[in-house]
Amino acid sequence: AQSVSQHNHHVILSEAASLELGCNYSYGGTVNLFWYVQYPGQHLQLLLKYFSGDPLVKGIKGFEAEFIKSKFSFNLRKPSVQWSDTAEYFCAGGGGSQGNLIFGKGTKLSVKP
Amino acid sequence: DTGVSQNPRHKITKRGQNVTFRCDPISEHNRLYWYRQTLGQGPEFLTYFQNEAQLEKSRLLSDRFSAERPKGSFSTLEIQRTEQGDSAMYLCASTGTSTDTQYFGPGTRLTVL
Repeated sequence: AQSVSQHNHHVILSEAASLELGCNYSYGGTVNLFWYVQYPGQHLQLLLKYFSGDPLVKGIKGFEAEFIKSKFSFNLRKPSVQWSDTAEYFCAGGGGSQGNLIFGKGTKLSVKP
Repeated sequence: DTGVSQNPRHKITKRGQNVTFRCDPISEHNRLYWYRQTLGQGPEFLTYFQNEAQLEKSRLLSDRFSAERPKGSFSTLEIQRTEQGDSAMYLCASTGTSTDTQYFGPGTRLTVL
């Protein structure tokens, strides 16, 4: 069955620390992978996406993710977090004719100023 | 581009009542998706439309749930005979194709007393 799992439920970091959020997927066939972010009180917004090509994907606000096919992973990274990065982060997989997304449970990131 | 809008933003109802939510997608998007998000979970796919055709509805949670998109523009999601377990955030997303980015609305938060 298709599934997406996120390793961390809640991550707490100090400003300027580096961030890596884990995401693993279980998929057959073509896989499209996404990271969405939900800031407090706001709707889901796309951070970045991977469809094909260069496995290192750069997104908005300094975020990047690397698709590693052999590990079925699509981890999100940022070299130096800011207080404004406090949010919940969702990894999602999609594909096929339906195109619906399958989400992980999310990781809440709290950045201490 | 005014984004995806959803109304109402909050709905409080008593158990057994019917509720209807509306989603207005981005105007040129022909695909529209409904998701449900409960506390501590990522969004869960419910159903989707391509134009006015509902192409997948087996994921609707029960026969109390139904959705329409009569003219291929806005969509409604109805829940009949609400139960306390229906309390959740109901999200709508739209996109142009099955592989494009899905843009999410702010959601309708349903509370069933």
